[in-house]
Parts: sequence; C-alpha cells; structure tokens
Amino acid sequence: DGGITQSPKYLFRKEGQNVTLSCEQNLNHDAMYWYRQDPGQGLRLIYYSQIVNDFQKGDIAEGYSVSREKKESFPLTVTSAQKNPTAFYLCASSIAATNEKLFFGSGTQLSVL
Amino acid sequence: AQSVTQLGSHVSVSEGALVLLRCNYSSSVPPYLFWYVQYPNQGLQLLLKYTTGATLVKGINGFEAEFKKSETSFHLTKPSAHMSDAAEYFCAVRRAAGNKLTFGGGTRVLVKP
Repeated sequence: DGGITQSPKYLFRKEGQNVTLSCEQNLNHDAMYWYRQDPGQGLRLIYYSQIVNDFQKGDIAEGYSVSREKKESFPLTVTSAQKNPTAFYLCASSIAATNEKLFFGSGTQLSVL
Repeated sequence: AQSVTQLGSHVSVSEGALVLLRCNYSSSVPPYLFWYVQYPNQGLQLLLKYTTGATLVKGINGFEAEFKKSETSFHLTKPSAHMSDAAEYFCAVRRAAGNKLTFGGGTRVLVKP
C-alpha cells in the first residue's frame, strides 16, 4: 500500500538532547511538509520541501532542522534550541508543491522528560 | 497574509441532527479552501475542497460546504450526524498560486447517541 510512514509513534526527549523524527513516503510525491499540532492552535508549518535537496522554512522553523537527500525521506530534527518541543508532529506530502491535496502520516507525539 | 478562524473549539450534536462547523478566512487574493478531518491519533484526511467553479462543494461521508465570498466563509455541514463523525475538523486556506496551507484551530465534534 502506498502511504506515509512516521516513526516512532511516541518519542521522549531529555533536556539538551536532539531528537530526529522519521518520515518516509512511497507515493513518489515531490513535495513534503512538517507540521506541528498543539491543542486549539491547529497545524503550524515548520518546514517544507518542494523537491529533493531543497527545503524552505515555514512559519515556526526556529529550533528545528530538516534534510531532503532522498525523494522518499524528509526527517525532522528537534534541536535543544527548541524550548517547548512537546507537541504532535505530522508529516505530509503532495504530488507537487502547488497541488492542494495533502496526504498525512499518522503522527509522532513528542514529550519532554 | 492569510488566516483562518473556526468558531467554536468544541461542538456537541445528537446523532441524526445537523452538523454545522463554521469557518471564516481572510485572504488578499482569491483563496483555495479545504476541510480536513482528523480521527484520534491519526493524520488528517481531505474531506472536500473549493478551488474554482460551483460554490457548493460536496465531499466524502455526506459532508458539504459552501463558499460565500461576500461573507468570507466556508462553513461545513452534514444533514444527519453519525457516531462515526466524532473527530476533529480543520478548515484550511491556500492562495491560488501559493504552496502553503494555513490551518484554523480546529473544531472537535462530539456525537451523542
């Protein structure tokens, strides 16, 4: 089945630690996105990538980093600079950056120990 | 800049009753409008979208929404609620030539038997 796989489902971070969230898609989509979801605030865009080896900051990129070395993979690193990392993180993809239909993964819940 | 406001973070309806979720947007250019649904611990699924043409849009699971430019609204309705409609619903907007979705804060729907 084609889709987006996020792992792990739950992740815990210690103070001062960097953690990486995985996102893999086998839909052959060019564009990929990372969103952060907090209760009552909807989804906010962290980073997005329109094509391999290219990515742009979204609305809340501070404290996060990404890479897009392969078309199917778009990992997100939550760095120690992100002071409030507890949230539900969603990865999404679309055929192209201008395509309106996003396909979402099932999310990763990140909590701070 | 564009923004999305969803009135009511929680809505409670009886099974069989009308579901009405309100969404208002602000956009300096003609927008594309979307409704997504999120079931617990999952990613988002596209319910319906408005790009151009007919302003009454029908989606999956019996939902529909009407784009009213004069009211800058895109309210979501379903004539008869089902228990399986219990979920969180997000309205989103994108500029026609843009590549970033802006989401509202979400409305959680509870369906009472």
